[in-house]
Amino acid sequence: AQKITQTQPGMFVQEKEAVTLDCTYDTSDPSYGLFWYKQPSSGEMIFLIYQGSYDQQNATEGRYSLNFQKARKSANLVISASQLGDSAMYFCAMRNAGNMLTFGGGTRLMVKP
Amino acid sequence: ETGVTQTPRHLVMGMTNKKSLKCEQHLGHNAMYWYKQSAKKPLELMFVYNFKEQTENNSVPSRFSPECPNSSHLFLHLHTLQPEDSALYLCASSINTGGGWDEQYFGPGTRLTVT
Repeated sequence: AQKITQTQPGMFVQEKEAVTLDCTYDTSDPSYGLFWYKQPSSGEMIFLIYQGSYDQQNATEGRYSLNFQKARKSANLVISASQLGDSAMYFCAMRNAGNMLTFGGGTRLMVKP
Repeated sequence: ETGVTQTPRHLVMGMTNKKSLKCEQHLGHNAMYWYKQSAKKPLELMFVYNFKEQTENNSVPSRFSPECPNSSHLFLHLHTLQPEDSALYLCASSINTGGGWDEQYFGPGTRLTVT
């Protein structure tokens, strides 16, 4: 069975600073994908970044980067230069071979002006 | 219209009512998903359809009945729900369910309240 753990229910960050959101996972599959989604108060889930289990380099997408440490089974999201619009829930998710996503409990990020 | 749309956005229903949630995707995808997001619980996968065929039922009670008439439309028929079924119901789509990585695109959700 797959499991995603996000240990930070809530985080504060000062505007323009960087923040790291933690995610650890557990799976017995050798091949898997890790995703981060952002959910604003409006409800929709917005895809941010993806990391494949065989990718050698950490994924980056603009201000988002994924700190992938396979041996530790962690896939932390780093947001650089935080903006007020980054305030939202953030979910880490893992995909198995059938594209079924298992989600973590989420982290609420609040950006302070 | 673009992306994944869901209607209605908000729904209040009694336990004896019958209602349906609708999801439509304009992305040319072949796979569609229903998720349930309850307060204080992780997002839970409910159903998966690939090329109109149901490929996953995650032990969902029979009071939830999905329907996928074509690859662009997905319905969730609701009847005799319980108050604990109150949640945000999210629909998603992806190119298909197998092979390579495949980003799921989500709709805005339907906020359901069962009274």
